[in-house]
Amino acid sequence: GESVGLHLPTLSVQEGDNSIINCAYSNSASDYFIWYKQESGKGPQFIIDIRSNMDKRQGQRVTVLLNKTVKHLSLQIAATQPGDSAVYFCAEKETSYDKVIFGPGTSLSVIP
Amino acid sequence: NAGVTQTPKFQVLKTGQSMTLQCAQDMNHNSMYWYRQDPGMGLRLIYYSASEGTTDKGEVPNGYNVSRLNKREFSLRLESAAPSQTSVYFCASKEQSRRRGNTIYFGEGSWLTVV
Repeated sequence: GESVGLHLPTLSVQEGDNSIINCAYSNSASDYFIWYKQESGKGPQFIIDIRSNMDKRQGQRVTVLLNKTVKHLSLQIAATQPGDSAVYFCAEKETSYDKVIFGPGTSLSVIP
Repeated sequence: NAGVTQTPKFQVLKTGQSMTLQCAQDMNHNSMYWYRQDPGMGLRLIYYSASEGTTDKGEVPNGYNVSRLNKREFSLRLESAAPSQTSVYFCASKEQSRRRGNTIYFGEGSWLTVV
């Protein structure tokens, strides 16, 4: 059926500060998680991923933390820049299936 | 190497009309996906195809059909468009490798309005 129209949660941070974007996932069988960034009018772009046998993974200015106990994922962006302003989505996948399901997203707004 | 290419980019349909969104990828990926994204909301999976010749329903398949024509192409068809299908549609394909994991690559989107 049709879902109720819920607008994206918004996070506003000052330029140079660190950002933390959270995501709760629902499927306890999911074993692979990905973060995507979507800029206005464009398709989502891959940022970083993590497998369920890890708790933490670091990239360039980004860190993903996974807490399987409470089914929670977070994306930390260090020294946030205006170019980081976008909508961020987490996604989950089970090994047995090729289905990739996205979370609702968070809009990040960086204040210069 | 164009990545994921989808057409048309913009389309206006009248209620009850049919149309097909085309998608092609040149990265030799096995898996392909169709998502829809309503304004201010997240991506919802419509259908996916794990390999040539197979298709499976996603979260919101009603009102849509798909065809995995060959490894490169995965089309999405609206047989009788409804205003509730007004959305941005994204096609994607997925790489699977030991080194690079399961990265999904998205097209630029198709903006569909049903009046």
